[in-house]
Amino acid sequence: DTAVSQTPKYLVTQMGNDKSIKCEQNLGHDTMYWYKQDSKKFLKIMFSYNNKELIINETVPNRFSPKSPDKAHLNLHINSLELGDSAVYFCASSPGTSRSTDTQYFGPGTRLTVL
Amino acid sequence: LAKTTQPISMDSYEGQEVNITCSHNNIATNDYITWYQQFPSQGPRFIIQGYKTKVTNEVASLFIPADRKSSTLSLPRVSLSDTAVYYCLVGDTNDMRFGAGTRLTVKP
Repeated sequence: DTAVSQTPKYLVTQMGNDKSIKCEQNLGHDTMYWYKQDSKKFLKIMFSYNNKELIINETVPNRFSPKSPDKAHLNLHINSLELGDSAVYFCASSPGTSRSTDTQYFGPGTRLTVL
Repeated sequence: LAKTTQPISMDSYEGQEVNITCSHNNIATNDYITWYQQFPSQGPRFIIQGYKTKVTNEVASLFIPADRKSSTLSLPRVSLSDTAVYYCLVGDTNDMRFGAGTRLTVKP
């Protein structure tokens, strides 16, 4: 059974389109995250949700909007896609809110390519 | 804010012990040090975490000096399957940042 799953695995789209990436975890964790990994492999946190509430919102464009319908799901919606949005997006979850002590479990990633 | 510095890449041979050092001069009192491993086309995977001194688990050891301004991940007797990128992660509840990662290549 997959602990943290993401769909789709690959996403190719045109500039200006709106797209969503879905994430689900079956670990019963309270906290979920979205990370962006660029071509240089830097992994940067974008958002963090705890029990459906936003607790971290890093400096990302307003075109990115996370949505958490329940604590097992954290979806990422991106409006007006730009070339610079091309990256691999990882979803992760952890048991609590302490990122420094909680082990994070990562999904397989979604490779987004904007043409 | 803690910032980490790691070597960009390292090469090793099968059976050798590999030590990867991470510098975090601005580590805060509440910060823990965590290491993750990432294979191509996969998400990072937790390896080990520590606060001070030495921590050991079934896959690695983590050495942290008294000043906590650096840490060393030690992988005993690496194999080809240990070829991956290793990330040092330092932070607290409100800010956790991955370093640039060290690409370890294990050669036969």
